[in-house]
Amino acid sequence: ETGVTQTPRHLVMGMTNKKSLKCEQHLGHNAMYWYKQSAKKPLELMFVYNFKEQTENNSVPSRFSPECPNSSHLFLHLHTLQPEDSALYLCASSRGTQDTQYFGPGTRLTVL
Amino acid sequence: GESVGLHLPTLSVQEGDNSIINCAYSNSASDYFIWYKQESGKGPQFIIDIRSNMDKRQGQRVTVLLNKTVKHLSLQIAATQPGDSAVYFCAEIIYNQGGKLIFGQGTELSVKP
Repeated sequence: ETGVTQTPRHLVMGMTNKKSLKCEQHLGHNAMYWYKQSAKKPLELMFVYNFKEQTENNSVPSRFSPECPNSSHLFLHLHTLQPEDSALYLCASSRGTQDTQYFGPGTRLTVL
Repeated sequence: GESVGLHLPTLSVQEGDNSIINCAYSNSASDYFIWYKQESGKGPQFIIDIRSNMDKRQGQRVTVLLNKTVKHLSLQIAATQPGDSAVYFCAEIIYNQGGKLIFGQGTELSVKP
C-alpha cells in the first residue's frame, strides 16, 4: 500500500450521469494530482493542487471538475462525460510539487 | 533481455535472467528521474530514483544508470522473477519548468517461467 487510496475502484456511468471520484492520502503530503491513463498512452496530467490551491489545469474539459477541501482529500466530479473519457483515473500525492509522487490504485471508469 | 524503451514497448525474459529496460529523454535540463512499476489493475509504484548529478544508483535487485551525454536512462533488474512482470515507466522532472513529472510511454516486461 502506498498510503494513497481511491474510491470507487470501478465505475460505470451513462453520459447523463453525475458521479464523483475520491482520493485520500495518509502521507502528510501537500500536493495532490489527478492523472488520466488511457490504454497504450502515457499518463496525462489533469490537475495539480498544492496546499489546497489549484496550480495547474492541463486544458481539461469542464465536464471534469476537481475539488480539494484539504491537503489530504481530492475529488474529481464528473458530469455529461463522453465514451472517450473511459480510462483509468489515477490520484497521486507528493510532499512538494517537485518531489516523488506516490500513486493510488486508480478508478477504472467506463462511460456508456 | 534488453528493451529500447519507446521503440520496443514489450520485453520478454526468462525467469532468472537479468532485464534491462531503457528510456531515452529529450531534455538535457532534466534534474531528477524516477522509475515506476505498474502491475495490471494497480497504480504506478515507485521503484527507484536518481538525481542528475549521479550516474548510478542501486536498490534491492534493481540498478538505475544515467548517461547524461546521450540522455539515456536504464533500469536493470537482476534475477528477474514472475512477480516483476509489469509495465515500467520512466519519468523525469525539470525543476525550472515547474517541476512537473513527465512520463514516458512505458515498457511491458513479461517474465517466462
